[in-house]
Amino acid sequence: GEDVEQSLFLSVREGDSSVINCTYTDSSSTYLYWYKQEPGAGLQLLTYIFSNMDMKQDQRLTVLLNKKDKHLSLRIADTQTGDSAIYFCARKDSWGKLQFGAGTQVVVTP
Amino acid sequence: NAGVTQTPKFQVLKTGQSMTLQCAQDMNHEYMSWYRQDPGMGLRLIHYSVGAGITDQGEVPNGYNVSRSTTEDFPLRLLSAAPSQTSVYFCASSYGQLGEAFFGQGTRLTVV
Repeated sequence: GEDVEQSLFLSVREGDSSVINCTYTDSSSTYLYWYKQEPGAGLQLLTYIFSNMDMKQDQRLTVLLNKKDKHLSLRIADTQTGDSAIYFCARKDSWGKLQFGAGTQVVVTP
Repeated sequence: NAGVTQTPKFQVLKTGQSMTLQCAQDMNHEYMSWYRQDPGMGLRLIHYSVGAGITDQGEVPNGYNVSRSTTEDFPLRLLSAAPSQTSVYFCASSYGQLGEAFFGQGTRLTVV
């Protein structure tokens, strides 16, 4: 959806950190999510952050939320070949509807 | 532990044909929804349901019908398929509207 925007492609070397960025326009978001989609598969929830939080860390994943700029990012530390996938940013509104970005294709090179 | 099950996984239809995409969940989730995924556009909400007997339209409802007679099942009907409905369709469910959404594996539909 046009209200959630993300870059379409990211190439990263194995072992480096990946940073995927997302911006959204509606400040009434309740939760913000990062989903991972591998080829031919459904969406897998990676992590989420509540809209009143600034940061959340979960093993190799760090989510940063800048509410003022309506900017969300996902950092993957020590990126592995298994991290190659499409990553979707999504926001949930107060009615429970999910609104997705177009997805960022992450390619991890050796 | 099945989660969200979609059938079929693949389908080819001729323009004007009708069909029903099935979605079932065994987690007693109240909230279910259907999305379509098109290249470069992410997932867009077609229809959703907050409980048995209650459905509502999402962002792109035209050409699709839904019903929710049981908590477990949320079928999506295409009444007269069009090539513009060629897409990958995902069903999702969650416990309440703000709960984590669990997705099915998707149905890849081609309309020729």
